[in-house]
Amino acid sequence: EDKVVQSPLSLVVHEGDTVTLNCSYEVTNFRSLLWYKQEKKAPTFLFMLTSSGIEKKSGRLSSILDKKELSSILNITATQTGDSAIYLCAGKPKTSYDKVIFGPGTSLSVIP
Amino acid sequence: GAGVSQSPRYKVAKRGQDVALRCDPISGHVSLFWYQQALGQGPEFLTYFQNEAQLDKSGLPSDRFFAERPEGSVSTLKIQRTQQEDSAVYLCASSAQGTENQPQHFGDGTRLSIL
Repeated sequence: EDKVVQSPLSLVVHEGDTVTLNCSYEVTNFRSLLWYKQEKKAPTFLFMLTSSGIEKKSGRLSSILDKKELSSILNITATQTGDSAIYLCAGKPKTSYDKVIFGPGTSLSVIP
Repeated sequence: GAGVSQSPRYKVAKRGQDVALRCDPISGHVSLFWYQQALGQGPEFLTYFQNEAQLDKSGLPSDRFFAERPEGSVSTLKIQRTQQEDSAVYLCASSAQGTENQPQHFGDGTRLSIL
């Protein structure tokens, strides 16, 4: 059965710290991995990673995929209180439609 | 509107009542998904529509759950004879067809509480 695991499940840091969130996956016919940020409402898309070893960046956030290790990391540098959210990782298999399998999420709290 | 719209935002029902949750996807999006998100968990897949066709309903937890999308646009998720374990946030997402490299777009969800 396909599954996605994330660690840690929760994390508390101080503003300015750098954090690394981990995701590992077992997805049949893996196509890509996605990261979402979920505050109190809808998950919002951060990154889609398809190729191994190519870092994607958006401001203070970056992510990379390791297909050999079946894993991905999401880095956030110089954290701010606005980064407090649940970060969801999802695996996308090669299916006839756009199915994704979500992990449990990492709850990040950034305190001043 | 530009995004996925869900209503109501909050729903409280007594155990045994039936509820109906609505999803209005992004205009023109062919694919529509329903997810159930329990507290402290990631979204769990319930069902998928391509236009009006329900192509995958493998995630529906029981025959009390029913979803429809009769005209290929708005979708309704119905839960009959609600149980306390049905309490969760129900998320709807949509995506355009043939966009394998595009993410799903989520609505804000309906928070369902069964008393």
